[in-house]
This record gives sequence, C-alpha cells and structure tokens, in this order.
Amino acid sequence: GDSVTQMEGPVTLSEEAFLTINCTYTATGYPSLFWYVQYPGEGLQLLLKATKADDKGSNKGFEATYRKETTSFHLEKGSVQVSDSAVYFCALSADDKIIFGKGTRLHILP
Amino acid sequence: EAGVTQFPSHSVIEKGQTVTLRCDPISGHDNLYWYRRVMGKEIKFLLHFVKESKQDESGMPNNRFLAERTGGTYSTLKVQPAELEDSGVYFCASSPIPDVQAFFGQGTRLTVV
Repeated sequence: GDSVTQMEGPVTLSEEAFLTINCTYTATGYPSLFWYVQYPGEGLQLLLKATKADDKGSNKGFEATYRKETTSFHLEKGSVQVSDSAVYFCALSADDKIIFGKGTRLHILP
Repeated sequence: EAGVTQFPSHSVIEKGQTVTLRCDPISGHDNLYWYRRVMGKEIKFLLHFVKESKQDESGMPNNRFLAERTGGTYSTLKVQPAELEDSGVYFCASSPIPDVQAFFGQGTRLTVV
C-alpha cells in the first residue's frame, strides 16, 4: 500500500544551520505531497504542499520539491531559527485520506 | 473563522473505562477525519465522514471504537472499554473537498492507565 518514510530524529542543529529532512514515498498513483508541522503545544499545521511532479512548495523559508523520478519530497531550509523547533511530518494524499510518516523532531539550539 | 476544535485536550482514564472525544470541524466542511498517533509512531488514519455518513472506516482498530457524526456537524469518537494500547494523541481534521488541504485540530491526548 501507499506509505511515507522520513528520516528518524531527533535532529539537533545550531541556529542559522542548513536543514534537510529526507522523505520518500511509495504510491500507486500520483498523490499530492505535504509537509505538516506541529509546534510545541499546538495542533498540526500544513507547512507546504506540492500537487504534481516538479512542483516546489514553499513557506516560511522552507522548500520541498516533488521528485517523481526519485519518489522524494525532501524538506530544506537555508537558515533555521530557534522558533523552527517542532515535529515535522511528511505526508501524501491517497483515496481521500492522508498518509503520514513517523515524524521528525527538530531541535534548534541558540 | 474558528478552526477545528477538539475536546478535551487531555484525558487520563483507567483501563476498562469509557471515554468520548469530541471534534467540531470548521463550519461548512463536509469532510471530517479522525487520526491517531501512538507514541513515537506515525499518525494513522482512523475514519472519514462525508457529512453524517462514514465514507471510509478502514482504519478503525476494533469494535471498541465508535465514531458518530449525527446531523453532519460535530463528531464524537467513543472508546469503550479503553485499553492501555489506546493511549495516544487523537487528531481530528476537516476539509471542504477530499484530497484538498485538511485543517487539523490540536488533538486530544488520551492516556489509559
């Protein structure tokens, strides 16, 4: 069945470091791809999305490109901030529901 | 506009007791979803309502879980009787159209002791 695999955490970086969180997916069709974020004490929020191959989603300095050839949707940010500390979930949509990865906890040190 | 709201935010119950979680979707959203995250694992789909009808309940773990959405507005998820493995965070989400952005609530953290 459809699935999402993302890198295990926690990931700890210093402020202003470059961030990559890897995500790959398995899907029979052509799903939309998402990154969701959960900040401490808050609910899940959509961070960015891409609906077709080669689309780039971006928001708050984060970017991810839908790569069909490598079935990947890696999340990147050029310079992280302490406020980016959160849990990040890669996800895809299939059959009217969302399939999530396990989540990656990100700690940013000042 | 109010977002998706869930109640309670936390619940601690003893094994064998009953707990009912509530979700109020964004007004006008016909699609309502329940998901669950067990500690350290992925967020898993439980079920999907379209208005008051269950569109897909393939993720419901067993018959101790009962979801309802009478009148197509708010939804409840009842666990009876609760078991230790039911502990986790239960998320509700709603969307106007399937496969379009779903808006999530803050979740209910359920702890069964």
